[in-house]
Amino acid sequence: EDKVVQSPLSLVVHEGDTVTLNCSYEVTNFRSLLWYKQEKKAPTFLFMLTSSGIEKKSGRLSSILDKKELFSILNITATQTGDSAVYLCAVEPGTASKLTFGTGTRLQVTL
Amino acid sequence: GAVVSQHPSWVICKSGTSVKIECRSLDFQATTMFWYRQFPKQSLMLMATSNEGSKATYEQGVEKDKFLINHASLTLSTLTVTSAHPEDSSFYICSVQGWGSPLHFGNGTRLTVT
Repeated sequence: EDKVVQSPLSLVVHEGDTVTLNCSYEVTNFRSLLWYKQEKKAPTFLFMLTSSGIEKKSGRLSSILDKKELFSILNITATQTGDSAVYLCAVEPGTASKLTFGTGTRLQVTL
Repeated sequence: GAVVSQHPSWVICKSGTSVKIECRSLDFQATTMFWYRQFPKQSLMLMATSNEGSKATYEQGVEKDKFLINHASLTLSTLTVTSAHPEDSSFYICSVQGWGSPLHFGNGTRLTVT
């Protein structure tokens, strides 16, 4: 059974801090790992990672995948209050499009 | 712009009634759509895979007679919660995946059964 574990479960930081969110996984025939940001409604897509060691970057957010150690990290630098959300990690197996989600990391950025 | 349109965004119904939720793929034809459910402070749990022109595939523990899925066209899938009970109150989200692209989610439907 595919499995995704995210840590920490929740995190409170001050605006301007840098945070690192972790995601470890077990999946049959890995195809991709995805990061989503969920505020009050449905998740919005952040990154899709398929290859090890290649950093994906979008503004203050970046992510990297280690397929050997089966984990990924999501970094957010210079955090802002608008970054407050639940960050979800999901893995997609090679045989189907069904994603398995982690329980998420709830990030709260305070002034 | 939005890739997936889900309607309604919220609904309140009485126990015992049925509720239909629509999910439309706006940008491309989707032979497969996915229905997720999310309880408060929990992650997304896949309920079923909706297949155009054929029966949906349900995940273990999801009652197919209670959660009816119809995928009659390449752009529309519907989820009907039949004989809803308060424990069915949840956030229901559909998703669509195009070839080689990540999963895109609808805005979700918050169902409250009183």
